[in-house]
Formats: sequence, structure tokens, C-alpha cells
Amino acid sequence: QVQLQQWGAGLLKPSETLSLTCSVYGGSFSGYYWSWIRQSPGEGLEWIGENNHNGGANYNPSLKSRVTISVDTSQNQFSLKLSSVTAADTAVYYCARVRYGSGSQMVMDVWGQGATVTVSS
Amino acid sequence: AIQMTQSPSSLSASVGDRVTITCRASQGIRNDLGWYQQKPGKAPKLLIYAASNLQSGVPSRFSGSGSGTDFTLTISSLQPEDFATYYCLQDYIYPYTFGQGTKLEIK
Repeated sequence: QVQLQQWGAGLLKPSETLSLTCSVYGGSFSGYYWSWIRQSPGEGLEWIGENNHNGGANYNPSLKSRVTISVDTSQNQFSLKLSSVTAADTAVYYCARVRYGSGSQMVMDVWGQGATVTVSS
Repeated sequence: AIQMTQSPSSLSASVGDRVTITCRASQGIRNDLGWYQQKPGKAPKLLIYAASNLQSGVPSRFSGSGSGTDFTLTISSLQPEDFATYYCLQDYIYPYTFGQGTKLEIK
């Protein structure tokens, strides 16, 4: 059974770079996209972006200038970096596996446990 | 970005009730919509994909329908473990966008 285990710094100061990593256990790494989603009380669930092992990244335009999702197939890991954070980036961040099926069916079928990131001076 | 509007925002119901949650897209999204269930302190869980396909392992009391701009999630007979918050997610076009959520509470 595939599991995603995520970790990273939980407390940041404004202008610092958020960095989170998600490890994939128990399943294939190739053939999927790997995504990040965040949830804040004021904004609900927000899709941040996705990437696959071929470098096919897609990002939310609202974050595109600050976000990078990278995939490391040798380590079965993928990472999120968000630069120049502010208090508005305070949220619970989730990693997720994305599978695209026939007819462009998309599922986010495996999720990490979530990581709380707080931005405060 | 496509806006997804769910209704109602909250709902009180009893065990055994039939419940319907609606999600409306600001433009047509074919059937590119999923439904997710989230319990407090936990990650969302996929219930339905492509508007009407039941994810493996999800009880058959959950069903989805719709196409274009209007979609519904139906729970045919509420069970105690179904009290949670439900979100729709459109994957028709980037950026993918979620509805604001529907909190289902025990009456």
C-alpha cells in the first residue's frame, strides 16, 4: 500500500523560503504526477501545483513566481519550495499522488498526513 | 480561474438520511470533477472521480452525478462515519480549484 510521508520546517519568518519534502513508500514513482495542496482557514483548499519525473510541471498562477516542485526519482521523493513567504502562506500543506487515466480522468488518490507551516516574525 | 461554488455550506442531518450536496462551476468543465471527504485533522480522501466514478474501497452509498456546470454528491443513507466536510475539485483546466466545502453535521 502506497504511503506518503512529508516533513519540513514548520516555523518561518517573513521573506524566508518554505521547504517541504514528501517521500513515497510502497509503490511505483514513475507514471504519476506529484502534487502539493494547502489549506488555510481563510482560503480553504488551494491547489499549488504538480510535477512528474519528466519535468512536466504545472503551477497555480497565483504562486507561480515563487513556487518550485521538484521530483527526485532516485530517492522516491518530491519537494516543494515557496520563496519570499508572508503570513498569508500560513497553512497546512499536503502532498498527494495524482493519477491521470483514460479520458483525462484525474484522481488524487494518496495523500500525505499534512504539515503545518506558520509564518511569523 | 474557474470558481467552484458548493451548496449548502453546512448541513445538519441524521443517521439514515439521504443527503445531497451540490457543486456549480463558473464555466463548463465536462465531467472533470472529483469529490473529497475530509475529517478534522486529516487529509482529504477521494470519494468520486470524473463526476460519477466511485473510487475503489469507497462505500456504494456514495454516488456522484452531473456534467457541464452542475454536479451533485449523494449519500444514500448516512452513517456515523460520514459526518465530515466535503469538497468538490475541478480538474478540467489549470489551476485546479476546490469548492469552499460543505460541513455535514449530526442533527
